[in-house]
Amino acid sequence: DAKTTQPNSMESNEEEPVHLPCNHSTISGTDYIHWYRQLPSQGPEYVIHGLTSNVNNRMASLAIAEDRKSSTLILHRATLRDAAVYYCILSREPGGADGLTFGKGTHLIIQP
Amino acid sequence: DAGITQSPRHKVTETGTPVTLRCHQTENHRYMYWYRQDPGHGLRLIHYSYGVKDTDKGEVSDGYSVSRSKTEDFLLTLESATSSQTSVYFCAIRGWDGGNEQFFGPGTRLTVL
Repeated sequence: DAKTTQPNSMESNEEEPVHLPCNHSTISGTDYIHWYRQLPSQGPEYVIHGLTSNVNNRMASLAIAEDRKSSTLILHRATLRDAAVYYCILSREPGGADGLTFGKGTHLIIQP
Repeated sequence: DAGITQSPRHKVTETGTPVTLRCHQTENHRYMYWYRQDPGHGLRLIHYSYGVKDTDKGEVSDGYSVSRSKTEDFLLTLESATSSQTSVYFCAIRGWDGGNEQFFGPGTRLTVL
């Protein structure tokens, strides 16, 4: 499976946009890009996914580079509740039908 | 929350004893998963199921077995628990066939002394 690389941690201020980067230089043409987040003491929570085009939903936006070797999760206006570990995950099947491979993710710290 | 419950939520056991963790879902989803999470790490896939009696191994399946005799229940068994299996165990379901999300349960914290 293709690997992803994320910064260990990032810090941002409340009510400001946050851009979380992910490198996946060995991505294959059919790999889906998923983002999940995990709040303290909870199970992971789906955030967004994409294949080739940029995607928006109520939680976030996903910007995918034209060559698909990197992507950025954008939280438009961070709140304290967005403090979590964010995982960028590739999968061959939609929804990770054969399971998801989590790395260590990015620990996002939100300052009031 | 996609109707996923895990039981027990906490368990302390001794090395060498058998342990079974249960994942129960109420929405008839075909795909179910067991992951473990160790401190400072992301989740790792243990086993998954794509239907009743249909299961497959994940990345860290050694020392674990699973069973799925009915759609709503996916059981994870540690035949002889070891201290290295101390972890938090998460169950997940895939929202629907072809769906793009997995929904996770609240987790079971297992301590093997």
